[in-house]
Amino acid sequence: GAGVSQSPSNKVTEKGKDVELRCDPISGHTALYWYRQSLGQGLEFLIYFQGNSAPDKSGLPSDRFSAERTGGSVSTLTIQRTQQEDSAVYLCASSSGGYSNQPQHFGDGTRLSIL
Amino acid sequence: AQSVSQHNHHVILSEAASLELGCNYSYGGTVNLFWYVQYPGQHLQLLLKYFSGDPLVKGIKGFEAEFIKSKFSFNLRKPSVQWSDTAEYFCAVNAGTDSWGKLQFGAGTQVVVTP
Repeated sequence: GAGVSQSPSNKVTEKGKDVELRCDPISGHTALYWYRQSLGQGLEFLIYFQGNSAPDKSGLPSDRFSAERTGGSVSTLTIQRTQQEDSAVYLCASSSGGYSNQPQHFGDGTRLSIL
Repeated sequence: AQSVSQHNHHVILSEAASLELGCNYSYGGTVNLFWYVQYPGQHLQLLLKYFSGDPLVKGIKGFEAEFIKSKFSFNLRKPSVQWSDTAEYFCAVNAGTDSWGKLQFGAGTQVVVTP
């Protein structure tokens, strides 16, 4: 079956521009996660959605970052006024429930480069 | 705050050699433990997981890991590696019911298997 789909796969933009990254989770998965993979930083948690509950935004690095999930499915991560330190691979994952023992399925990521 | 440490950032070994990758975490409560693998050009995939029960867990492709609670460790092993095991390996921890599905990742270990 289809896995987690992310778009675009690559995005190059100028510093100061806004970007939107999209994630389409596996059908039926209620939990959705965003992570960031930076060179030398490993994988960092950004935000988590579970059903209709309020998202866990505890990993967002600044107020320039926001995310929404419409209709319990597709999610969009928005970065406003991008900075060079935002350059990273942004990964989306989904799982069949929000419980801590549900394995997460990852997409291929969006590689974001800020010039 | 919880943290996850992977002791080796880069490992090079020959085919048929044995592999052991160390992972230690700092969290005193109930944890769920994972190893993920990222093959070149592919997305992160679950290798194995530990939630409870037998501390020796077996995963895909001949990998296994042992949870030692007293040492806060979850080391990954494979008795005889193949060239196709060349990949980056990530240990991840979820702090049980306190943090739902949010994963804390180690920095990753790049494993290169030479023919």
